[in-house]
Amino acid sequence: GENVEQHPSTLSVQEGDSAVIKCTYSDSASNYFPWYKQELGKRPQLIIDIRSNVGEKKDQRIAVTLNKTAKHFSLHITETQPEDSAVYFCAAGPMDSSYKLIFGSGTRLLVRP
Amino acid sequence: NAGVTQTPKFRILKIGQSMTLQCAQDMNHNYMYWYRQDPGMGLKLIYYSVGAGITDKGEVPNGYNVSRSTTEDFPLRLELAAPSQTSVYFCASSYGTSGGDTQYFGPGTRLTVL
Repeated sequence: GENVEQHPSTLSVQEGDSAVIKCTYSDSASNYFPWYKQELGKRPQLIIDIRSNVGEKKDQRIAVTLNKTAKHFSLHITETQPEDSAVYFCAAGPMDSSYKLIFGSGTRLLVRP
Repeated sequence: NAGVTQTPKFRILKIGQSMTLQCAQDMNHNYMYWYRQDPGMGLKLIYYSVGAGITDKGEVPNGYNVSRSTTEDFPLRLELAAPSQTSVYFCASSYGTSGGDTQYFGPGTRLTVL
């Protein structure tokens, strides 16, 4: 079946450093790539998404890049802060069928003060 | 708006018992979903609905059933609970528009089957 692989599973960075989380997907029909953040004990919430007609998207300290040829996309967080500590999930699927979204296994990010 | 709400927050079941997890949304979303989240794993889709009266299986539907009689409610039924169903269950909803569709999640139900 379709698959989304996410790496690393855990990531520890010093406050102020950058963090990068990478995902690869298998379904070439995927053209929508959201990222969700889940704080401890809370619900997942969308933080940024990208569609296949763009290669990069930024929102303040967060950016996402997409390489459709290689079927991988990445989340970049700059100037990390303790409140960035959470589990981050990538996902991939077709834009017109949100029920076909496949989630990665998650990355636990710890930002050390 | 309350968004997506789920009850109960926690539940312990004995093997073989049954229960219904409740989910409701007040955003007039067409699509609703049930996911399970096991430790260290991503979200796996159990069932989904694209509108009242329409449901379909996701990736891991065995042992579960759903119904969608109204736009707002999407209960998940567990029959004959098994330890493998110990998990955190999230309900979500979205408009169902093309072009990329943000899913809004409920607070989750932590279920333990002993």
